[in-house]
Amino acid sequence: EPEVTQTPSHQVTQMGQEVILRCVPISNHLYFYWYRQILGQKVEFLVSFYNNEISEKSEIFDDQFSVERPDGSNFTLKIRSTKLEDSAMYFCASKRTGAKHYNEQFFGPGTRLTVL
Amino acid sequence: GNSVTQMEGPVTLSEEAFLTINCTYTATGYPSLFWYVQYPGEGLQLLLKATKADDKGSNKGFEATYRKETTSFHLEKGSVQVSDSAVYFCALTKAEDTGRRALTFGSGTRLQVQP
Repeated sequence: EPEVTQTPSHQVTQMGQEVILRCVPISNHLYFYWYRQILGQKVEFLVSFYNNEISEKSEIFDDQFSVERPDGSNFTLKIRSTKLEDSAMYFCASKRTGAKHYNEQFFGPGTRLTVL
Repeated sequence: GNSVTQMEGPVTLSEEAFLTINCTYTATGYPSLFWYVQYPGEGLQLLLKATKADDKGSNKGFEATYRKETTSFHLEKGSVQVSDSAVYFCALTKAEDTGRRALTFGSGTRLQVQP
């Protein structure tokens, strides 16, 4: 069964460093998402991506964040200069089509980012 | 804006006990409602969904009914198993969010089932 994969499973970085979180969505999916969950808090939407551009982003997704689909399979989230408060679990998700708003989003296992 | 409120966890039950995890929501219009489950070390998986008022979603013995009058979508299971131990997330998406269609999640409820 196809699944969304994410690497690494755990990333430790120093404050101010750049990190890239990688995701491989399901191959015939068209919509891609990043969410994050700070420990003990809600899962929060960051950004959605369709047709090689951002379709929506939350207020969390500021200039320090960027997304890219560099090669038609990977979907990356970059944080340019990490802050302590960026420590969280980051989930990637993909969806086959947006035609029905309740189509299932398939989630990856997450990357735990720890900023020291 | 949209929001989802879930009961605090952890919920600890004995095997074969009845489970209820409360979920209420705030949204304009007619959202679709979901329960996702996260087993240890895995990603979020869709457990069940309901797209309009009075719909009942069901899967693997779990059920939830979309109650617009009480803005609730409580998760229930008649007899839990140790293998149901996981974190359960209630979520919604709005029909009007045609471009975004992102999910708004609750904070998650950890269920621990003891043998």
